[in-house]
Amino acid sequence: NAGVTQTPKFQVLKTGQSMTLQCAQDMNHEYMSWYRQDPGMGLRLIHYSVGAGITDQGEVPNGYNVSRSTTEDFPLRLLSAAPSQTSVYFCASSYGGDYGYTFGSGTRLTVV
Amino acid sequence: QKEVEQDPGPLSVPEGAIVSLNCTYSNSAFQYFMWYRQYSRKGPELLMYTYSSGNKEDGRFTAQVDKSSKYISLFIRDSQPSDSATYLCAMSAGSSASKIIFGSGTRLSIRP
Repeated sequence: NAGVTQTPKFQVLKTGQSMTLQCAQDMNHEYMSWYRQDPGMGLRLIHYSVGAGITDQGEVPNGYNVSRSTTEDFPLRLLSAAPSQTSVYFCASSYGGDYGYTFGSGTRLTVV
Repeated sequence: QKEVEQDPGPLSVPEGAIVSLNCTYSNSAFQYFMWYRQYSRKGPELLMYTYSSGNKEDGRFTAQVDKSSKYISLFIRDSQPSDSATYLCAMSAGSSASKIIFGSGTRLSIRP
């Protein structure tokens, strides 16, 4: 039972490049979310999903896209990377959005 | 004004002391309250979960919710150096598609 798996763990991008952060969970959770964590800002919600085929925006969605074609996977796409997107990104999943999330180990992204 | 406010610390206490961590919030619709612990360079892990007002105890940890004051607390008894981490409060309104909003976290250090 791997829980929530995020890849890659580290990534350096140049401004303007695009990339996809991968997230997979093996707990059959319906709810999945992407957060970014910046110093002094806590965790801010980017996008979330309440099931396959259903996604919605969080607090800071600009510059990011998501899709949810299966229960297990919830990739986060950066369309055109900017230095402001330098952050630690966490994927999380839950049986129900109100019952607390299980988090992955994070992806540390630097945009230069 | 942020929906959830949390003193960032850092907070340093001697081993064995009782630790009190707190959050205030502005959204009276919040019904589900959580505390997460995050070790350095790791993902957050769910520590305590409570619904509505009242207390919940789990070993050395006690969570309190006072909805009338919009104030939640986490108490750690007999604190250990292994409790040194960042503690994040989180809460949600409790709808089927609810979003969990996090505080910015309090950095705690337990001195041996």
